[in-house]
Amino acid sequence: EVQLVESGGGFVQPGGSLKLSCAASGFTFSGAAIHWVRQVSGKGLEWVGRVRSTADNFAPAYGASVKGRFTISRDDSKNTAYLQMNSLRTEDTAIYYCSRTPTYDTPSDYWGQGTLVTVSS
Amino acid sequence: DIVMTQSPDSLAVSLGERATINCKSSQSLLYSSNNKNYLAWYQQKSGQPPKLLIHWASTRESGVPDRFSGSGSGTDFTLTISSLQAEDVAVYYCQQYLNVPRTFGQGTKLEIK
Repeated sequence: EVQLVESGGGFVQPGGSLKLSCAASGFTFSGAAIHWVRQVSGKGLEWVGRVRSTADNFAPAYGASVKGRFTISRDDSKNTAYLQMNSLRTEDTAIYYCSRTPTYDTPSDYWGQGTLVTVSS
Repeated sequence: DIVMTQSPDSLAVSLGERATINCKSSQSLLYSSNNKNYLAWYQQKSGQPPKLLIHWASTRESGVPDRFSGSGSGTDFTLTISSLQAEDVAVYYCQQYLNVPRTFGQGTKLEIK
């Protein structure tokens, strides 16, 4: 069974940092791309970024609102992807979901349950 | 960036009736090399992550009831629920996966009339 489990969310002050993890199981992690999507309470979905598989040369990409502040990485030996968030702003407060795409040109077919990040003073 | 615009923002339909949600992209999602439309539909129920319903604009995911169907090509797409069931109450999103950023529509909230 494919599973994705996010962790690392919590409360942080503006300007602070937080690192989220996405632990995967039930599929060949190294062959999949991992995406991060966030959702402000009561609002729509916003694509944050992705990291492709090792075979596709990782090729991280980011949405405009997080570019330069967030970094996505992966450790295939641990079946885990990461979202390093720096210079956090109040508008980054959201539930953060990780999802996988089985190939680089397919949509996200499995999602985690999400982890809540709250940025507030 | 490709802008995705859904209509309507909300929709109330009677049980057993048809529900139709539209999605328009600011540029064509049809990739000429493989003649596929890079458009997906997701369903998100309250308190849950999104669930993939349809990809390539019209291919239903395994296990998705056949009352859900997707159509369209290029820049105009439609998600149709042929006979609304109570469990279909949710917010529905379209997403393009042709380019990064993989943008979503703003969502359509579907309720029972």
